[in-house]
Amino acid sequence: EAAVTQSPRNKVTVTGGNVTLSCRQTNSHNYMYWYRQDTGHGLRLIHYSYGAGNLQIGDVPDGYKATRTTQEDFFLLLELASPSQTSLYFCASSDWGHTLYFGAGTRLSVL
Amino acid sequence: QQKVQQSPESLSVPEGGMASLNCTSSDRNFQYFWWYRQHSGEGPKALMSIFSDGDKKEGRFTAHLNKASLHVSLHIRDSQPSDSALYFCAVSDPTRGGRALIFGTGTTVSVSP
Repeated sequence: EAAVTQSPRNKVTVTGGNVTLSCRQTNSHNYMYWYRQDTGHGLRLIHYSYGAGNLQIGDVPDGYKATRTTQEDFFLLLELASPSQTSLYFCASSDWGHTLYFGAGTRLSVL
Repeated sequence: QQKVQQSPESLSVPEGGMASLNCTSSDRNFQYFWWYRQHSGEGPKALMSIFSDGDKKEGRFTAHLNKASLHVSLHIRDSQPSDSALYFCAVSDPTRGGRALIFGTGTTVSVSP
């Protein structure tokens, strides 16, 4: 089974704070994704990447930056966090077969 | 506008019963469908994919795709309490090389013993 590890699992910050969410996959997958999950909206794509140094814009990118430093590591950055970014964040990876493998998620609260 | 519509929002099924979930795409370019299942406290996991018209069966799960109407359904036969979860329909986004998935809002299935 493909392994995707997210950290931290829970995070609380204040409005205007900086937050970095981390994701590591050990599957040798080329593609990695960041989604947010909110009730009534399902999962929405923030950013994705098809390799180290590459970044593609998703459907809800405003207020988020991302960086893919290696094939294994993908980071999501919130530089001025707002309460609207309170959500459950998922990282996923995929190989050429299109199946997405998700991590366990990071629950972020912005007060 | 939500590009992938799911119904119903929630569903209660007795143990051993049949659960039926529906999904419709609003864009004719979205033709490759997936079902994902998410148990409480976990990330979503792929259940099955269906790309061709007709039925695809995997164990107690059967997906049915009608490309003309952009409608896909998922039927869970002999439902078990472990099937209680949030089920997402997703489509491959052709504008992104088919790699990223667009998800619906989900259907919560509760199976009562």
